[in-house]
Amino acid sequence: NAGVTQTPKFRILKIGQSMTLQCTQDMNHNYMYWYRQDPGMGLKLIYYSVGAGITDKGEVPNGYNVSRSTTEDFPLRLELAAPSQTSVYFCASSGQATEAFFGQGTRLTVV
Amino acid sequence: AQSVTQLDSQVPVFEEAPVELRCNYSSSVSVYLFWYVQYPNQGLQLLLKYLSGSTLVKGINGFEAEFNKSQTSFHLRKPSVHISDTAEYFCAVTLAHAGNMLTFGGGTRLMVKP
Repeated sequence: NAGVTQTPKFRILKIGQSMTLQCTQDMNHNYMYWYRQDPGMGLKLIYYSVGAGITDKGEVPNGYNVSRSTTEDFPLRLELAAPSQTSVYFCASSGQATEAFFGQGTRLTVV
Repeated sequence: AQSVTQLDSQVPVFEEAPVELRCNYSSSVSVYLFWYVQYPNQGLQLLLKYLSGSTLVKGINGFEAEFNKSQTSFHLRKPSVHISDTAEYFCAVTLAHAGNMLTFGGGTRLMVKP
């Protein structure tokens, strides 16, 4: 039972590079989320999706893009990496009005 | 829209002492409530949840929480903490009986000292 799977676990990017953080879930959840977590700052919502083909901005969407072509996958795209995007990124999914299940996180460093 | 406030960003406590981590929410309709724990360098895992029924909810690792509708609170408690309980704790809310996303509080870092 895989749950929510994020790849990669770690990545170092140079300023201006781009990358995609992958997230997939096998629980047939409609809701999926991307959060970033910075030391002492809690979780901040970047983007979320309420179903395939539907995405919306969260609290801190600048510098990121998402897509949701299938129920299972919710990739997060960084187009022009900046040092301010150094963070730990968590993907999560939930059913209707139920708890969220989290991936193990991606630790991203932009240098 | 709903919101969640965790009143303490850090809570230091000695081993075997009791602890309470506070969580207040705001919503004009019924909600479901959750507490998550995050151990260092790990993802978040569910501690306990309140959906309906008894307002006292028991979770894993000896934690419990009480839903208080009149005070819009969902405080987390443990009668005797261990060093291994050192972690970050997050309270979250979603609207009951409706499709809606989860909203998280800012987190409380529990630091258990020997």
